[in-house]
Amino acid sequence: DAGVIQSPRHEVTEMGQEVTLRCKPISGHNSLFWYRQTMMRGLELLIYFNNNVPIDDSGMPEDRFSAKMPNASFSTLKIQPSEPRDSAVYFCASSLYPSGGPSSYEQYFGPGTRLTVT
Amino acid sequence: DQQVKQNSPSLSVQEGRISILNCDYTNSMFDYFLWYKKYPAEGPTFLISISSIKDKNEDGRFTVFLNKSAKHLSLHIVPSQPGDSAVYFCAASARGGSEKLVFGKGTKLTVNP
Repeated sequence: DAGVIQSPRHEVTEMGQEVTLRCKPISGHNSLFWYRQTMMRGLELLIYFNNNVPIDDSGMPEDRFSAKMPNASFSTLKIQPSEPRDSAVYFCASSLYPSGGPSSYEQYFGPGTRLTVT
Repeated sequence: DQQVKQNSPSLSVQEGRISILNCDYTNSMFDYFLWYKKYPAEGPTFLISISSIKDKNEDGRFTVFLNKSAKHLSLHIVPSQPGDSAVYFCAASARGGSEKLVFGKGTKLTVNP
C-alpha cells in the first residue's frame, strides 16, 4: 500500500496568493482528516470528512480556508488569500471508521506539506 | 484551552535505560488514548493505544499506563534505543461516533548511545 499521499511536499508562496494542498487517502478508508502543525499550537485538527461528507470543520481558522472531498480518493485544502501566519506543516490522514473495534481510531498520516508564506 | 497536555517538551535518556513520557488530559469524556511517534520530515505513525476499560497495554518494548482517576497516562519504553529518538504525541478521543482525536503538543525524546 502506498499510504497517504500529499502534494506538494513543500510550497513557498507570497502573501495574498492562493494555495492548494492535495491529498490521496489510503484506498478503502472512509474518513479523511486535515491537520496543521505549528510550534505554538502543536497538531490541531482543521476538518474531517466521513464518506466524503464534511463532519466537523470547527477547527478551520477562518473563511480563507476551505476543504473539499469530491470523491473517496481525493481531497484538497485551499487557502485564499494566504497570509504569513498560515506558514505551518499541513498533514492529511485517513482511517477506516467504523470498523467495529478500537483500531478504527488509528489514523494514518501522510508526510505533510510544509507551507511557507512570505 | 488544551485538553491534552504534554508538559515536557523534551526528554533525554541513555540507551538501554527506561524512557517515560507523560500525558495529562482534562476532558472526562475521553475514553480512548493513543500514542503517535513522529520522525523529522515524516507524518506521525501510530504506536500504541489503550481503552479506558484497561489500565495497562503492552506491545514489545512499549507499555502505556492509564490512571483514570488522575486523568494521566504514560508511555514507557524499555529498553530505549537510539532509533526511538523522535517526537511522541499523546492523543485522546471520546466515543459516540466521533473520529476526532485531540493531540498534545508532543515530547521530543532523544536516546543517547
